[in-house]
Amino acid sequence: GQQLNQSPQSMFIQEGEDVSMNCTSSSIFNTWLWYKQDPGEGPVLLIALYKAGELTSNGRLTAQFGITRKDSFLNISASIPSDVGIYFCAGQASDSNYQLIWGAGTKLIIKP
Amino acid sequence: GAGVSQSPRYKVAKRGQDVALRCDPISGHVSLFWYQQALGQGPEFLTYFQNEAQLDKSGLPSDRFFAERPEGSVSTLKIQRTQQEDSAVYLCASSLASAGWTGELFFGEGSRLTVL
Repeated sequence: GQQLNQSPQSMFIQEGEDVSMNCTSSSIFNTWLWYKQDPGEGPVLLIALYKAGELTSNGRLTAQFGITRKDSFLNISASIPSDVGIYFCAGQASDSNYQLIWGAGTKLIIKP
Repeated sequence: GAGVSQSPRYKVAKRGQDVALRCDPISGHVSLFWYQQALGQGPEFLTYFQNEAQLDKSGLPSDRFFAERPEGSVSTLKIQRTQQEDSAVYLCASSLASAGWTGELFFGEGSRLTVL
């Protein structure tokens, strides 16, 4: 079946540093989504991407839909303590208009 | 409240017990999804409703899992004869769109099920 590889699995960073994480797929996706999940909460949508090559920003967050349609990355600039959490990529394949395939998540930890 | 509400937040069941998990989606949202999230993993699709119609149940792990949304709003996920491998967080999500869905799902806080 379709799989998403999300990396890194976890990141330890200093406050103020920039962060980069990415997802790759074994198949083509029509939509890439980035969600953040805090402990004890459900995921919350950060950025949605709908076209190959699209670059979209949301505050300090920037995400891109890869031109091959098989990858996406998320950058966070100048990290702050509230950025801590788990970031998930999710993709929607062309053979489904509602099912999402999810990565395993990148856990972001800010070193004191 | 304005968000997706799930209950109970935590459920401990003995192996073999039946459990029922409730989801109250955002009012007016047509689409409703159930996901299963194991520790350290992303959500895995279980089932999808459009209004009261269950359009896809391909992700339900076994016939012990059953979901319904009889009036097109509140949904219940029932697990019969629970087993230890059923232990997970069960997430409910709703979306305003049906056709031309944009991918914005609004998730509840989840129901954490622990089977002893």
